[in-house]
Amino acid sequence: GQQVMQIPQYQHVQEGEDFTTYCNSSTTLSNIQWYKQRPGGHPVFLIQLVKSGEVKKQKRLTFQFGEAKKNSSLHITATQTTDVGTYFCAGRRSQGNLIFGKGTKLSVKP
Amino acid sequence: EAEVAQSPRYKITEKSQAVAFWCDPISGHATLYWYRQILGQGPELLVQFQDESVVDDSQLPKDRFSAERLKGVDSTLKIQPAELGDSAMYLCASSLVGRGTYEQYFGPGTRLTVT
Repeated sequence: GQQVMQIPQYQHVQEGEDFTTYCNSSTTLSNIQWYKQRPGGHPVFLIQLVKSGEVKKQKRLTFQFGEAKKNSSLHITATQTTDVGTYFCAGRRSQGNLIFGKGTKLSVKP
Repeated sequence: EAEVAQSPRYKITEKSQAVAFWCDPISGHATLYWYRQILGQGPELLVQFQDESVVDDSQLPKDRFSAERLKGVDSTLKIQPAELGDSAMYLCASSLVGRGTYEQYFGPGTRLTVT
């Protein structure tokens, strides 16, 4: 079945360093969403990408959707301790169900 | 700001017992989802409702799990009998179908421990 692979599984950075997580699908996605889950919390929607090659920015966060609509990335510039959590990508199949990746757990050392 | 409500927040039960979780989605959200999240993994869809109808329950272990949304508003997920491997976080989410985005709003979850 369709899978959404996410790497790395863990990332430890020093505060101020950049961070990137990558998401890859075995099949073309209609769109992709990104969620953040703080420790002990629940997933919170960050953004949705729909168009091939789309790039969206939210302050220090930059999201990209690949040209083939099979991969995506989230880049955080100059991480802060408030960025700590697990970042999930979720690809939507044409039938409308989201497939979540396993997430990248980010820890930030002050 | 409207939120998805879930109860209980924590549940400890012995294997072979029955458990039930409740979810109240954001008012006006026609689509409701139940997910299971094992520690260190992403959420896995168990069942999706559109109003009161099930639109996807392909990953729901139907021999022991059941879900209903009788009036198309709140929903209940039941496990009977519970097994040790059911220990996980059970998340409910809702979304407003028909808009351009299908962002899902998650509730706080019910953490189930089966002993």
